[in-house]
Parts: sequence; structure tokens; C-alpha cells
Amino acid sequence: GAVVSQHPSWVICKSGTSVKIECRSLDFQATTMFWYRQFPKQSLMLMATSNEGSKATYEQGVEKDKFLINHASLTLSTLTVTSAHPEDSSFYICSARVLAGGPDEQFFGPGTRLTVL
Amino acid sequence: GNSVTQMEGPVTLSEEAFLTINCTYTATGYPSLFWYVQYPGEGLQLLLKATKADDKGSNKGFEATYRKETTSFHLEKGSVQVSDSAVYFCALGATNKLIFGTGTLLAVQP
Repeated sequence: GAVVSQHPSWVICKSGTSVKIECRSLDFQATTMFWYRQFPKQSLMLMATSNEGSKATYEQGVEKDKFLINHASLTLSTLTVTSAHPEDSSFYICSARVLAGGPDEQFFGPGTRLTVL
Repeated sequence: GNSVTQMEGPVTLSEEAFLTINCTYTATGYPSLFWYVQYPGEGLQLLLKATKADDKGSNKGFEATYRKETTSFHLEKGSVQVSDSAVYFCALGATNKLIFGTGTLLAVQP
């Protein structure tokens, strides 16, 4: 089956530093990748949609300059949390979709737990 | 706007018990509806889906029926197993995006 990996699975950083999270589709090419954020006991909230080779589309209320997304290849997307602060602590999940796939044809990574001290 | 509401957990059941996890939605138009499952340490996996009213999605003994009149998509299973312990997410698909409910933790005890 289609496998999506995320690295790291968890990270702890100091306030003010930047953290990069990688999302890879291991056995298929993903033209579109999604980044979600999940708070405890809350639903997954879509942060942004990225298409390979173009700029990401951010959801309303998501700061583009804080959450930098790069989708440079068909198998890799990165999310960089810049100048992280404790309120950025959360569980970040990526998903990948193949070309012309419907909304349900997303394959999810296992998530990355970010803790900002 | 579009939204999904599902029952809060955790839901704790004994093996072979009947399972219902409620899910209702608010949407413009006619969205597709989904149930995803997340086992410990793994990514979300599509469990079942329904694309139009009165459709029934089914997989691995789980079922859910798209009820337009009650805007619901409740998940059911007749006899749960310990291996069904996971977090279950209801979701709707709109404009090529997925909108999720809060997730319901199911714990099945032997």
C-alpha cells in the first residue's frame, strides 16, 4: 500500500528557534500534499495545501511566514515552523495525494509531535 | 460552513459488544462522507466512505449509511475485537479537502 513517512516523529525545541518537518511518499509520487495540525481532543485542522513545484495555498488564519511549506519534488514536502513559540506546540500531520485523486485518496503520515519550551 | 461533529470518547467496550459512534455533519451541497481510523503509532487510514445519500459504506465489519435527512453518518460494528482499538475520525470531503471531526477513541477490552 501507499506509505507516507514523517521525520522526525517528535521534536523538542527552544522558543525562537526554527524546526523543519519532512513528509515523504515512499512508494508513489504525490502531486499534492496537505499539512494538518491537531490539538488535544480537537479535530485535524488543514493548514495548507501544496502542489509540487508551486507555492502552497494556506487556509484562512494560518500565518504563511510562520509556517513555511516547500514541495520541491514529487516525493517530499517540508514544513518549517519559524521562530517557534510554545503556542506552536502541537501534533503536525501530513498527507499525500496522487494526481487527480479525490479528497479521500490521501495517504497520511504518522505525525510529528512538536514541543516548544 | 462545512463541519463535522462526532461523539466524544473514550468509548470502552468489551470484546464482541456492539459499537456505534455517532457523526453528524453540516454542509452546503452534497459532500462525500468518510470514516478514517488511526491505530497507535500509525497514520490515518481510510476505513469506509459513501458518496451520496443512502449509500452504505462497509469494510472490515464496519458500516455507515449516508443519511441526508438526519445529516448523519454513524459508524457501527456488530462485534468489536481488541484489535479494533483505535481512534476513529468522521470526515466530509468538500472542494478537494477533508474536514474532520474531533476523533473518538475506542478501547476494546478482552
